[in-house]
Amino acid sequence: GEDVEQSLFLSVREGDSSVINCTYTDSSSTYLYWYKQEPGAGLQLLTYIFSNMDMKQDQRLTVLLNKKDKHLSLRIADTQTGDSAIYFCAESWTGANNLFFGTGTRLTVIP
Amino acid sequence: ETGVTQTPRHLVMGMTNKKSLKCEQHLGHNAMYWYKQSAKKPLELMFVYNFKEQTENNSVPSRFSPECPNSSHLFLHLHTLQPEDSALYLCASSQVEGEKLFFGSGTQLSVL
Repeated sequence: GEDVEQSLFLSVREGDSSVINCTYTDSSSTYLYWYKQEPGAGLQLLTYIFSNMDMKQDQRLTVLLNKKDKHLSLRIADTQTGDSAIYFCAESWTGANNLFFGTGTRLTVIP
Repeated sequence: ETGVTQTPRHLVMGMTNKKSLKCEQHLGHNAMYWYKQSAKKPLELMFVYNFKEQTENNSVPSRFSPECPNSSHLFLHLHTLQPEDSALYLCASSQVEGEKLFFGSGTQLSVL
């Protein structure tokens, strides 16, 4: 099976930047995703990147993809307390059974 | 609001009960999914429907029975569950199978 790995925890101070990292093992990915899950809620699709891109920026979010190292990161600028949540990395190629999620990184923002 | 609505939000049931989880999407998507989220485990794909046809059954026990009457609605019928089935059950939908899933808020299920 596919392995998608993330650190379990990250703490940052309000106003600082957060960087959440993810590594994966398969080089056939079509899309790579970042999802956010707040307590008691489902997963919210934050952003995604095509595998032929290196970077995507969307307001405070920057996604970087290093295909050589199979490394994906999500940078959140000016982190706010409302950003506290679990962030899941996922990768896919064609077909639902080829969508793999990481175990999630719990981001805690300290006021 | 993601456009994917799940009911109920919480469910407590005994091992001999029969209950159903409901999912509805208002996004015009063609594929719908059931995932199980347990503590400290990756999300587990359970079932996938594409254009109302089941395309994936990820070795799920028969006490979980999905139903997809149309592209907008998905049910998960539960019967004779075990305590280890307690988890958050998430429904998702997407336009293309396996790409850019939108999730509902989930049903938190507790089996006593």
